[in-house]
Amino acid sequence: DQQVKQNSPSLSVQEGRISILNCDYTNSMFDYFLWYKKYPAEGPTFLISISSIKDKNEDGRFTVFLNKSAKHLSLHIVPSQPGDSAVYFCAASDSGTYKYIFGTGTRLKVLA
Amino acid sequence: DAGVIQSPRHEVTEMGQEVTLRCKPISGHNSLFWYRQTMMRGLELLIYFNNNVPIDDSGMPEDRFSAKMPNASFSTLKIQPSEPRDSAVYFCASSLGGGAGTEAFFGQGTRLTVV
Repeated sequence: DQQVKQNSPSLSVQEGRISILNCDYTNSMFDYFLWYKKYPAEGPTFLISISSIKDKNEDGRFTVFLNKSAKHLSLHIVPSQPGDSAVYFCAASDSGTYKYIFGTGTRLKVLA
Repeated sequence: DAGVIQSPRHEVTEMGQEVTLRCKPISGHNSLFWYRQTMMRGLELLIYFNNNVPIDDSGMPEDRFSAKMPNASFSTLKIQPSEPRDSAVYFCASSLGGGAGTEAFFGQGTRLTVV
């Protein structure tokens, strides 16, 4: 059972436009959410996170939105740059455990 | 700090052979995770340790897989015997505390090919 789902395997966006990556989860116990970026032949690197007590967290060009009632979060990248081309994973965790559950990833391609 | 260090970076082995993947977590981190990346399942959690103790190994696919953490600075993931369907990229990650409020730091992964 996939507790964290990223239903779009890939996304293409023009440089300068907004990229929106989506993630859904099923476990209502999750209270901390993260986004990771992964380049080929490298390990995933942490990008941004959000706690369930918030509905938005912003860091430069990256903003994560959390809709707890819909069990949905999204990552917005504005403006998108070619260097943002990578696979993006969302992950979730709950305070009662130590583990992070990841989605299947979305491959973002930003076209110059 | 050098980050999470995994070895080898690439491993090619024949079906039936034993494979051992190694991981050195970031110094001071007390949680360690082994993940496997596949196209179908993304980053799949295999097992995680807290303070060197295995907490949850429910993601380990079969008895052929085993993991150990003999001390705070070293962990191994062993597959015996290996099968072609084990071919994937295996990541080790560590964190301080783990779970809510912290993030995991990943190594560069070991690409395993079983022929």
